[in-house]
Amino acid sequence: AQSVAQPEDQVNVAEGNPLTVKCTYSVSGNPYLFWYVQYPNRGLQFLLKYITGDNLVKGSYGFEAEFNKSQTSFHLKKPSALVSDSALYFCAVRDIGETGRRALTFGSGTRLQVQP
Amino acid sequence: SAVISQKPSRDICQRGTSLTIQCQVDSQVTMMFWYRQQPGQSLTLIATANQGSEATYESGFVIDKFPISRPNLTFSTLTVSNMSPEDSSIYLCSVELGGFSRYSTDTQYFGPGTRLTVL
Repeated sequence: AQSVAQPEDQVNVAEGNPLTVKCTYSVSGNPYLFWYVQYPNRGLQFLLKYITGDNLVKGSYGFEAEFNKSQTSFHLKKPSALVSDSALYFCAVRDIGETGRRALTFGSGTRLQVQP
Repeated sequence: SAVISQKPSRDICQRGTSLTIQCQVDSQVTMMFWYRQQPGQSLTLIATANQGSEATYESGFVIDKFPISRPNLTFSTLTVSNMSPEDSSIYLCSVELGGFSRYSTDTQYFGPGTRLTVL
């Protein structure tokens, strides 16, 4: 079975400072990894994904994430946070070793609060 | 990507009634999914809905409670039957544009969600 852990319920950062939102995963095969963001009263918006290749993945709105296979992590990062980045962030995994299953398993979510 | 709409965007319903949620996509998609997000919680998959076959339900979800239709490649409905306050959640549909291969690298795109409150 696959699982995702987001150890921090909330991350607080000052505007202009770098931010990191942590994610670790567990799969039996090879993972496809995703980050989504949810703004209040909105659906989930796709930020970025890791499939294969370069461990550093760049996505929307200046976000990037680093895949670390040895640590089974996929932390989301941004060099300089904006107040508008304040939202709920979800990490998700799909185990391509799991035959026939295309659905995503989500972490519990991390609320990012960027203070002006 | 795909543009996904859901109707209704929100509703308040009485216990014991049923609500059907519609999901419309602007392009033909192979795979559609229905998720539930309970208040303050993460997303949990209810079922996978592929056109031309019966929906596949996750553990803890049954067809009698959450019947799903998938009449064509751009549309699906989820019904929440015999509702109770515990069904109060956001229900989201999502789609993938790729094929059925488990190696598909396609991204899953989500609709805006339907916020359901059951009194």
